[in-house]
Amino acid sequence: EAQVTQNPRYLITVTGKKLTVTCSQNMNHEYMSWYRQDPGLGLRQIYYSMNVEVTDKGDVPEGYKVSRKEKRNFPLILESPSPNQTSLYFCASSSSRTGILAKNIQYFGAGTRLSVL
Amino acid sequence: AQTVTQSQPEMSVQEAETVTLSCTYDTSESDYYLFWYKQPPSRQMILVIRQEAYKQQNATENRFSVNFQKAAKSFSLKISDSQLGDAAMYFCAYRSAYNFNKFYFGSGTKLNVKP
Repeated sequence: EAQVTQNPRYLITVTGKKLTVTCSQNMNHEYMSWYRQDPGLGLRQIYYSMNVEVTDKGDVPEGYKVSRKEKRNFPLILESPSPNQTSLYFCASSSSRTGILAKNIQYFGAGTRLSVL
Repeated sequence: AQTVTQSQPEMSVQEAETVTLSCTYDTSESDYYLFWYKQPPSRQMILVIRQEAYKQQNATENRFSVNFQKAAKSFSLKISDSQLGDAAMYFCAYRSAYNFNKFYFGSGTKLNVKP
């Protein structure tokens, strides 16, 4: 089954304690992204990756890091979490294929609810 | 940068009736893709419908259809014969055809379905 898997689903932590949210996809997709969702703001892109070892900043990258050492994995790292990073996080992947058969859609993980105290 | 605007934070519809959710976007690009995603209380993001900007024909998926007005930069979602399971947050999204990495989402519309 094609899927994007995020872990953990829920996480409560304290300010300054480093954490990593993992993301893995089994569709051999080139593109992967991280988003955060906040009430009234929709989803905002944090970082994205076009392929292994190729990453770039999205619209709200401050306080986050990512890495893409393998095609299937795209972890999100918070080196020193702060309360303003309390949010719902989504990982997503999509194919780079274009043309008539390409669906050009993103597949989302189930989300990670993060609370930073 | 592109922007996506959903001006209706919350809407209600009676079961079995029709409701239309609005979405407008701002872009200078000529080729792009538009999507509606549904987010039920489970928080999962579920693709409802998609539209390619180069296609004039409006997309349809069962009870869901769109009214795509490219010149007006409008992309509304119509839900016919509303069901209780349609209650969710709905997000409009834009994807550039020139930079596949860039997705822009609206702020969402919460749809309530009354029995």
